[in-house]
Amino acid sequence: DAKTTQPTSMDCAEGRAANLPCNHSTISGNEYVYWYRQIHSQGPQYIIHGLKNNETNEMASLIITEDRKSSTLILPHATLRDTAVYYCIVRTGYGQNFVFGPGTRLSVLP
Amino acid sequence: SQTIHQWPATLVQPVGSPLSLECTVEGTSNPNLYWYRQAAGRGLQLLFYSVGIGQISSEVPQNLSASRPQDRQFILSSKKLLLSDSGFYLCAWSRSIDSLYQETQYFGPGTRLLVL
Repeated sequence: DAKTTQPTSMDCAEGRAANLPCNHSTISGNEYVYWYRQIHSQGPQYIIHGLKNNETNEMASLIITEDRKSSTLILPHATLRDTAVYYCIVRTGYGQNFVFGPGTRLSVLP
Repeated sequence: SQTIHQWPATLVQPVGSPLSLECTVEGTSNPNLYWYRQAAGRGLQLLFYSVGIGQISSEVPQNLSASRPQDRQFILSSKKLLLSDSGFYLCAWSRSIDSLYQETQYFGPGTRLLVL
C-alpha cells in the first residue's frame, strides 16, 4: 500500500481557506489520491479525488504536485461545519478496501 | 441520486445475544457493498464486501457474517456477540462499473454498537 502522511491536527479561522497537506512519496503511476472527511459520529464523506491534474468540485480543490508525491486539499472558505477529521488515501488497487489512516483533525475557529 | 441507509443508528446488546444490522442503497443497480468497523479513535477495518447477490468475501476471521439477499440490501449478523464486537459499523457502496483504481466508496451514517 502507498502510505500517506498527514499532520495530526490543524486550526483554521472561519471564512479563511483551509489547506490540508498530504505526503504520498511512494505513490505509483496509476494510483489515485482520495480525500474523505469524518464529522464526529458520522460516516466518512467523500470529498474529491484525482490522479495527476488538479481537481475542483463544489466542496473543495485538490492540488497534486507534478511528481505526485504530495497533494493539498483546499477548502476555500472554511465554516464551523467543516470541523472534522480529514483523510488522505491512496487507492492501491489491491483488495477492495480503503485504508484510512489517522487523518488530520481540522478545527475551524470562530 | 443515490442514498444509503443504515439501521439502527444505535444499539446496546448484551454479550451472547444475536445481531442483525441492515444496509440498503437506493438509486443504483448492482452496487458493490461493504461492511467496515471503526473502533474508537481508530481507522476503518474492512469486514466484508459483496459484488453481487449471494456473493460475500470476508476480510478477517470473526464471529460475524454477512448476507446479500437482494441487489441493494446488505446485512451484518452475529449469532453471539462478544464484548470486542463493540464499535461503529459502516456500510458503503460503490459503482460496479468503476475501475479498481478509481472506485469511489460512499458511506452510510453508521450504526454504533455497544456490547455489555
